[in-house]
Amino acid sequence: GAGVSQSPSNKVTEKGKDVELRCDPISGHTALYWYRQSLGQGLEFLIYFQGNSAPDKSGLPSDRFSAERTGGSVSTLTIQRTQQEDSAVYLCASSLGPSGGGYQETQYFGPGTRLLVL
Amino acid sequence: KNQVEQSPQSLIILEGKNCTLQCNYTVSPFSNLRWYKQDTGRGPVSLTIMTFSENTKSNGRYTATLDADTKQSSLHITASQLSDSASYICVVRGNQGGKLIFGQGTELSVKP
Repeated sequence: GAGVSQSPSNKVTEKGKDVELRCDPISGHTALYWYRQSLGQGLEFLIYFQGNSAPDKSGLPSDRFSAERTGGSVSTLTIQRTQQEDSAVYLCASSLGPSGGGYQETQYFGPGTRLLVL
Repeated sequence: KNQVEQSPQSLIILEGKNCTLQCNYTVSPFSNLRWYKQDTGRGPVSLTIMTFSENTKSNGRYTATLDADTKQSSLHITASQLSDSASYICVVRGNQGGKLIFGQGTELSVKP
């Protein structure tokens, strides 16, 4: 079946420009996560959406970063006034939702968007 | 200090050999621990997920162990294959429905 998809797959932008990254989770998954992976670094949590609850934004590195999830499905991550240090792979993942630690929490990752800020 | 520490940072082994990757965590309270495999240029793929009551879980040639008392986990790969070359990431969830805490990963390279 269809997995998590992300677009664009690659994005090159100039410093100071805004970018918008899109994530289409697996149908029926109530939980959606955004992560950032810089070259040679581990995954860094950015934001977590669960159903209609207020999102956990504790991982967003600055107020230039924001995300929304419309209709409980598609999510967009927006980076305003991009900086060179924003260059990274941005990964989206979805899962069925919290369930006490069982298989429903398994996260399925998209292929990522590779962002390069010049 | 990172709450999830993995070792070694990188490992090179010959095809057919076994290897064990380590993950120590300080996250508390603890809900579950997962191991992911991430091929270069791809998103991570889940290998195993264990709750505090589980000691071991297998997925083919991958076997994960968990000692919740010492807060240690290991991932054992048996009869390694060239396709096992990847980054292996240990991830801990600290509380129900909360964010995941990622280790820095172990970069495994399997040589012919």
